[in-house]
Amino acid sequence: AQKITQTQPGMFVQEKEAVTLDCTYDTSDPSYGLFWYKQPSSGEMIFLIYQGSYDQQNATEGRYSLNFQKARKSANLVISASQLGDSAMYFCALLNNAGNMLTFGGGTRLMVKP
Amino acid sequence: GAVVSQHPSRVICKSGTSVKIECRSLDFQATTMFWYRQFPKQSLMLMATSNEGSKATYEQGVEKDKFLINHASLTLSTLTVTSAHPEDSSFYICSARDRGQASYEQYFGPGTRLTVT
Repeated sequence: AQKITQTQPGMFVQEKEAVTLDCTYDTSDPSYGLFWYKQPSSGEMIFLIYQGSYDQQNATEGRYSLNFQKARKSANLVISASQLGDSAMYFCALLNNAGNMLTFGGGTRLMVKP
Repeated sequence: GAVVSQHPSRVICKSGTSVKIECRSLDFQATTMFWYRQFPKQSLMLMATSNEGSKATYEQGVEKDKFLINHASLTLSTLTVTSAHPEDSSFYICSARDRGQASYEQYFGPGTRLTVT
């Protein structure tokens, strides 16, 4: 069974500062993937970044980077230079080896203060 | 590219009626589509996996007779909530995988907010 945990229900960050959103996971699959999505109040799921379990380097996409620590089973999202538009819910998700099941964490609400 | 649409975006129906939600991949073919439900302030929960031309696979605890899924073509899957009750009120989101790519990524629709009165 897959499990994914986000321990921070809500976070505040000052505009222009960096913030780390925590995500830990548990799976017995030999290969898996980790995603981060942003969900603004309108509800759509916006893909941010992906990390494969065998990827040697941590994924980066613009202001987003994923701090992947496989031995600790963590995949934290780092957002640099926060913007007001970053205020949203953020979900970490685990994709199984077969690629047909995506399990979501409980989410973290990020609020960027001006 | 990789756009998924959902229709309607918002629907209000009376208790006991049925409502159909459509999920379309606009610029790619999707052999597999997924249906999720999200209650207020909660996470997304996978309801079922829909494969083109075959029966959907439902997650444990999801009533297949209540949530009818049809994936009749490579670009369309529908979710019908039958005999809806107020507890079915939720945000329903579909996603699709691109048949033409070996990619892992699921492309999400914008969601449908269902309110049952």
